[in-house]
Amino acid sequence: DTGVSQNPRHKITKRGQNVTFRCDPISEHNRLYWYRQTLGQGPEFLTYFQNEAQLEKSRLLSDRFSAERPKGSFSTLEIQRTEQGDSAMYLCASSLVVGMNTEAFFGQGTRLTVV
Amino acid sequence: QKEVEQDPGPLSVPEGAIVSLNCTYSNSAFQYFMWYRQYSRKGPELLMYTYSSGNKEDGRFTAQVDKSSKYISLFIRDSQPSDSATYLCAMSARKTGGFKTIFGAGTRLFVKA
Repeated sequence: DTGVSQNPRHKITKRGQNVTFRCDPISEHNRLYWYRQTLGQGPEFLTYFQNEAQLEKSRLLSDRFSAERPKGSFSTLEIQRTEQGDSAMYLCASSLVVGMNTEAFFGQGTRLTVV
Repeated sequence: QKEVEQDPGPLSVPEGAIVSLNCTYSNSAFQYFMWYRQYSRKGPELLMYTYSSGNKEDGRFTAQVDKSSKYISLFIRDSQPSDSATYLCAMSARKTGGFKTIFGAGTRLFVKA
């Protein structure tokens, strides 16, 4: 499978615990995005990387959230001291930005439940 | 007012019907328009990608963009039960350092056999 891969698919954690999600983008893609999606809503932008550089972070990304893309390949999203409001689907997408082309392809998401 | 408005539905149609899905937007800077299909508990799947105004056709799917009215549409011909999903519109605008992409809330579609 050469699409965007996310792990784990599901995560249940107790409030206050830390969690980490991984995203493996399509191999030749230079841009990687993280989104959060809650029930009945569209994906909301969290942050994105151009290769290994994190170029933008949304106001939704509180200090408890951190994302890395150490070698410009896979990325991790860590949430520290989880809260019930963090329960959502966390989506990763990647794109190959060439000229005007910005098509982004999504992974299957990681569904987080904080109890 | 949200930058992108999309009727959440649900929209229920019989098999074989023509489906029309729509979004309106307020930011005239949007230049790139996308439609994604999302099945329950899955990630969004890119269906159509359009730059600026006009029509684009791909099989049973046709995307239309009317920038003067700030209105985009997705038409599905000969709808099938397998088309039952949530359809998300998304649009992007250039900004300093990259692009800004906003998604609609999605329209739930049910195609009855």
